[in-house]
Amino acid sequence: QVHLVQSGAEVKKPGASVKVSCKTSGFVFSNYYMHWVRQAPGQGLEWMGIINPSGNSPVYTQKFQGRITMTKNMSTSTVFLELTSLRSDDTAIYYCARRDRAAADPFDIWGQGTMVTVSS
Amino acid sequence: SYVLTQPPSVSVAPGQAARVTCEGDRIEGKSVHWYQQKPGQAPVMVVYDDSERPSGIPERYSGSNSGDTATLTISRVEAGDEADYYCQVWDSTSDPSYVFGTGTKVSVL
Repeated sequence: QVHLVQSGAEVKKPGASVKVSCKTSGFVFSNYYMHWVRQAPGQGLEWMGIINPSGNSPVYTQKFQGRITMTKNMSTSTVFLELTSLRSDDTAIYYCARRDRAAADPFDIWGQGTMVTVSS
Repeated sequence: SYVLTQPPSVSVAPGQAARVTCEGDRIEGKSVHWYQQKPGQAPVMVVYDDSERPSGIPERYSGSNSGDTATLTISRVEAGDEADYYCQVWDSTSDPSYVFGTGTKVSVL
């Protein structure tokens, strides 16, 4: 069975960094792209970026350029999201999600989400 | 950037059909996916590629896509269908290239 299990909730101060993990199982990790999506409290879904199967070519939306890094650990089938220079409006639930080979393929499996709170 | 617009809310009586629209410029040329999100839970895919249903999703969920509007239809609505629903597309010319609709709260009366 396919599972995406994310790391636990984080509380950070403004200006700090956070690194969220998403450990996968039940499928061939090296065959799939992985997205990161976030959702601020009471708001909709916001796409942040995607990392390719081999993990060497992430693509980030312009909004987060310079603050975001996505990586993969192929030996542990885990994908990571790091966001730096945190602000209060980065407070959100962060989700990883899987995508198959084609760019237009859906986000077919999602992690349970990681709450990140940015507060002084 | 590409914009997808959904009605904020749809209310429906049990047993009736709920229709959630997703408007976007020439959306019929794109593959539209739909996600259900219940309070405190992660989104779940309920329709993909306009009208395909993943395994485990009831036949009551269906989708269509024509012109500038894609539609998710939930037939014979049940209390358990109450949730937020989001449409989503990929647009290679847009940033962000993966776009979600504004979301629709489906309420069962």
